[in-house]
Amino acid sequence: RKEVEQDPGPFNVPEGATVAFNCTYSNSASQSFFWYRQDCRKEPKLLMSVYSSGNEDGRFTAQLNRASQYISLLIRDSKLSDSATYLCVVNMRGSTLGRLYFGRGTQLTVWP
Amino acid sequence: GAGVSQSPSNKVTEKGKDVELRCDPISGHTALYWYRQRLGQGLEFLIYFQGNSAPDKSGLPSDRFSAERTGESVSTLTIQRTQQEDSAVYLCASSLDIGTGELFFGEGSRLTVL
Repeated sequence: RKEVEQDPGPFNVPEGATVAFNCTYSNSASQSFFWYRQDCRKEPKLLMSVYSSGNEDGRFTAQLNRASQYISLLIRDSKLSDSATYLCVVNMRGSTLGRLYFGRGTQLTVWP
Repeated sequence: GAGVSQSPSNKVTEKGKDVELRCDPISGHTALYWYRQRLGQGLEFLIYFQGNSAPDKSGLPSDRFSAERTGESVSTLTIQRTQQEDSAVYLCASSLDIGTGELFFGEGSRLTVL
């Protein structure tokens, strides 16, 4: 089983829509969680960290459910520029602290 | 610029040749990572450095792959006797320290093995 699993999509939504992605992780010792964004043929970039209490950054809301071992990302009022692949990233404790596990990504296309 | 720099950006080589990929991290970043991304696939962890040390090399696909880092700066990923399955984009990233989760990626080195 992969450390991080994501629905690859694609998700195709109109501008202004609300869309949510989920990600599950296999290791209960996972410590830190992040969402990255990767545009087509570009390098990944950090979108936001995910905190236990949930956090919001503008139109983006991230939530963590440790009991069920899943992370979510909600995008409100989608913009054309939100079209990208969203990567769920998980970090472990201890000896594997430096190894960040990336999910395969969920592809989002926002159409006019 | 002040970002992570990788070279070459594109490399086409023949099967069986050796290649070296270089990464210049952001100055002052102690952690450096190498990932591989095949076309249409996710990021595959290869190795990370904390300073000049590589605590976890288990992600390297085979003994044809090696990496080093010197001066807590530049890193080189070497692939010996390249195979067609090595074709991918090799991404380097750096972060201020291990465990921060905020990685700054370079634009990658696209390797094509004919």
